[in-house]
Amino acid sequence: SQQGEEDPQALSIQEGENATMNCSYKTSINNLQWYRQNSGRGLVHLILIRSNEREKHSGRLRVTLDTSKKSSSLLITASRAADTASYFCATGFTGAGNMLTFGGGTRLMVKP
Amino acid sequence: KAGVTQTPRYLIKTRGQQVTLSCSPISGHRSVSWYQQTPGQGLQFLFEYFSETQRNKGNFPGRFSGRQFSNSRSEMNVSTLELGDSALYLCASSLGATSVYEQYFGPGTRLTVT
Repeated sequence: SQQGEEDPQALSIQEGENATMNCSYKTSINNLQWYRQNSGRGLVHLILIRSNEREKHSGRLRVTLDTSKKSSSLLITASRAADTASYFCATGFTGAGNMLTFGGGTRLMVKP
Repeated sequence: KAGVTQTPRYLIKTRGQQVTLSCSPISGHRSVSWYQQTPGQGLQFLFEYFSETQRNKGNFPGRFSGRQFSNSRSEMNVSTLELGDSALYLCASSLGATSVYEQYFGPGTRLTVT
């Protein structure tokens, strides 16, 4: 079963706008990661945030983590048509090796 | 550096048959994990191998098995295929032993069971 839920399930925006996706999870985690997947292909790692971190940036990406609410958000600023993809959050756990538990994903469409 | 490769990329099998999928990790990576992706269940963890040892296993029936070789290449096998096994099977490799290390995913093998 999936660890958590992502919200919204689908998002459609215009190029240049910001996109925000949210992820909630159920149990204590060691880290939370975000991945992108283009049309049924492999996943691409975007960013990892550890449980003792609150915010992280990478280029146009900003991730926040609130462990008290068991939630995270991914913000993509100044979106581009090439950002069109599905985005997944995944949680890692202490003592669980490389096992990740994925959320259901958000399908993002960026219209040119 | 070559990425993670998976073979075959596409496969069509009949119910009751068995199938073997292969994953070659990035050179130097000792961890290989397998995931099943379906529209209904999403991405689900199958198992992880590290230095030829299975470390974690997801909630899948015993028809799903895997192994890792000394060169870190991994195979997964599904016996007695069912229609519900139709999915995209993804493998991921990692340099380290915990999830704080970045994982690199292959393009996947799309299995269709008829």
